[in-house]
Amino acid sequence: GAVVSQHPSWVICKSGTSVKIECRSLDFQATTMFWYRQFPKQSLMLMATSNEGSKATYEQGVEKDKFLINHASLTLSTLTVTSAHPEDSSFYICSARSGAPFGNQPQHFGDGTRLSIL
Amino acid sequence: DAKTTQPTSMDCAEGRAANLPCNHSTISGNEYVYWYRQIHSQGPQYIIHGLKNNETNEMASLIITEDRKSSTLILPHATLRDTAVYYCIVRLAYGQNFVFGPGTRLSVLP
Repeated sequence: GAVVSQHPSWVICKSGTSVKIECRSLDFQATTMFWYRQFPKQSLMLMATSNEGSKATYEQGVEKDKFLINHASLTLSTLTVTSAHPEDSSFYICSARSGAPFGNQPQHFGDGTRLSIL
Repeated sequence: DAKTTQPTSMDCAEGRAANLPCNHSTISGNEYVYWYRQIHSQGPQYIIHGLKNNETNEMASLIITEDRKSSTLILPHATLRDTAVYYCIVRLAYGQNFVFGPGTRLSVLP
């Protein structure tokens, strides 16, 4: 159980393009979803947290107009990187958890999306 | 900043137990300890979590000291597929978020 599917797993696109990444919880209801970014040889950095039906909460330094997050249902969240540039190239990973927002349920992670902007 | 400290790297012989330590000396009474691992180019995989009692599941055991200032993740019979970066995380009190530190790079050697 607790499977999180992320799509696409790999995308290459031209500078200026907008890219949408989907994150789905397949066998549980994700009351909270998270988006992380990971640069090579570094650890995961949280970008934003979203509760179903609410606006996402972005971490300091993350541009909300550039990284649009939608969590419209209990099984789906999307991250759209708008007008992507080479510096946005990274490994983007989503996670999801069930239960109350401040409960102790673990997060379950997708397999990530490797984004390369040319 | 992460609230945990872990060794940068460890080696373990295949078939032997891998014991991964984690220090979380500033942990609060209602904060859980979570362990994840990340194999190269994949998302982190949940392993186990606990509050104060020792926990065991099909993957690993979690031993938390009585004062809760440190814990140890035990992989009882390490295999080559257990080679990964292991993260020990204490979730922020009254928050939802995990803060990932650099973790421990475990290499299981044949």
